[in-house]
Formats: sequence, C-alpha cells, structure tokens
Amino acid sequence: EAGVVQSPRYKIIEKKQPVAFWCNPISGHNTLYWYLQNLGQGPELLIRYENEEAVDDSQLPKDRFSAERLKGVDSTLKIQPAELGDSAVYLCASSLGESGEQYFGPGTRLTVT
Amino acid sequence: GENVEQHPSTLSVQEGDSAVIKCTYSDSASNYFPWYKQELGKRPQLIIDIRSNVGEKKDQRIAVTLNKTAKHFSLHITETQPEDSAVYFCAAAPRGSARQLTFGSGTQLTVLP
Repeated sequence: EAGVVQSPRYKIIEKKQPVAFWCNPISGHNTLYWYLQNLGQGPELLIRYENEEAVDDSQLPKDRFSAERLKGVDSTLKIQPAELGDSAVYLCASSLGESGEQYFGPGTRLTVT
Repeated sequence: GENVEQHPSTLSVQEGDSAVIKCTYSDSASNYFPWYKQELGKRPQLIIDIRSNVGEKKDQRIAVTLNKTAKHFSLHITETQPEDSAVYFCAAAPRGSARQLTFGSGTQLTVLP
C-alpha cells in the first residue's frame, strides 16, 4: 500500500510569489491534515479535512493561505503571496476514523528568498 | 487549547544505555498520547501510543508511562542503538480523538557508539 504522497519535495521561490503544494492521502483515509513544521519544532496543524469539509482551519492564515480538497481525496495548499517567514516544511497526513493513526507524508521543504 | 511541553530538547546517551524523554500536558480532557520518531529528512512515524485507561505500555525496547494525575507521560528506550538516533515528538489529543493532536517541540536523541 502506498503511503501519503506529497509534491514537490522541495521548492525555492522569491517572496511575493505564489506556491502550491499537493497531497495524495492513503486510499480510503477520510481525514486529511496539513501541518507546518518549523526547524527544531513539532508539527503545527494548519487545517484538517473530514472528507471534503474543512472542520478545523483556525490556525490557517487566511489572508495568504488557502486549501482545498475536492472530491474528498487529494488536497492542495496554496500560499499567495509568500513571505520570508513561510520558509518551513509543510507536512500532509491522513487517517481513518476517530482513533486512526495519523500517517505523514515526506513533506515539502519551502524556502522563500 | 492544549499545550504540550517536552524535555529535554537534546539528549545524548552511550549505546546500550537507556534514554528517557518527558512530556507534560495542560488539558485534563486529553486521553490519547502518541510518540513519533522523525529521522533526519524523513517523515514522522508513530512508534508507540497510550490511552488514559492504562498506565504503561511496552513494545520491545520502548515503553511509555502515563501519570494522569500529574499530567505527564514519558518515553523510555532501553538498550539504545545508533539507529535510535532521531528526533522524538510527543503529542496529546482530547477525548480519545487521534485527529486533534498537539505536538511537543521535540527531543533530538543521539546515541553514541
């Protein structure tokens, strides 16, 4: 069974440019998460989807960040415009059910110059 | 909301010795406590978890203990090996929902040969 897939793995952009990250969760997993991980820190939740519905986006900076999960499978996280402080690893995870383990993808390392 | 504190931030042990990492949490409603291991440049992976109806859980060389009264839980690794070197994250979630994880800031464990 394939794990959580993310692309790209690395992205370097100039500030004020837009960027998008893509995530394909484990097949059948109804819950999808986007996390932000700064260097030396634990993952911080940005948004959680139950199927196609965003049920927790309280930590998503909505002035520049947006996300979607069309058809309740793949998801895209977008930043527009990017700022220097957005440099971090963006992790996607998925799980099944109320008590299912969260499986993480390899992450996208974003560098904003 | 939940606040999880983890210490130490770095830990070095000699191969074969034991390692202990401790976490405290603030929300008394939390009752699910997983531990993730993240090797350099790789995704976080669940290594063990515990729910509040038990005080201790073991899996080969790793164990987790939970003290709900004091609101702290610990990861114990015995007979450490160089491949145990990684960053370890604790997390807490309320009311049995593994979907609402709050992570600690991580412990960099180095096992010296």
